Amino acid sequence: EAGVAQSPRYKIIEKRQSVAFWCNPISGHATLYWYQQILGQGPKLLIQFQNNGVVDDSQLPKDRFSAERLKGVDSTLKIQPAKLEDSAVYLCASSLPGQGTYEQYFGPGTRLTVT
Amino acid sequence: DQQVKQNSPSLSVQEGRISILNCDYTNSMFDYFLWYKKYPAEGPTFLISISSIKDKNEDGRFTVFLNKSAKHLSLHIVPSQPGDSAVYFCAAPGSGGGADGLTFGKGTHLIIQP
Repeated sequence: EAGVAQSPRYKIIEKRQSVAFWCNPISGHATLYWYQQILGQGPKLLIQFQNNGVVDDSQLPKDRFSAERLKGVDSTLKIQPAKLEDSAVYLCASSLPGQGTYEQYFGPGTRLTVT
Repeated sequence: DQQVKQNSPSLSVQEGRISILNCDYTNSMFDYFLWYKKYPAEGPTFLISISSIKDKNEDGRFTVFLNKSAKHLSLHIVPSQPGDSAVYFCAAPGSGGGADGLTFGKGTHLIIQP
């Protein structure tokens, strides 16, 4: 079974530029999450989708971050414009709801450096 | 305000001995806990979990203990092996109503010495 795919793996941009990350979850997983992991911290949830609907985006900085999951499969996370403090690893995860275990499967992440 | 706390940034243990990683939480609504392991340049991978209706869950060399009254859990690895060197995160799923994104601690970097 293929895991969660993410691209690109690395991205360097200047502040005020825009950037987009792509995620393809495990086949059949209805729930998809985006997390931000700043160096030295644990991952922090940005947004959760159930199919193509948003379940929780309470920690998403909506003035600059946006995310979509139009067909309930792939997802894109965008930052526009980027700030220095957005430098982090962006992790995508997916899960099969209703299993009662809350286990999420993570992709390898995209390391973003904002200069 | 950190709801899941891992107060030891790093831990060094000799190969073959027991590794004990600790985690505290403040949110009484948490009723399930997970441990994840992370190698550099990889995403976190699930290790073991425990429901609040239990006080212990075991899987091979890994055992998680939960003390609800103290809001404390610990992960025991016996015996520790070189491949166990990684960052370990404690996490709890969120507020319910289908919103089950994980709240993570800051992690503990476990180093297994030969």
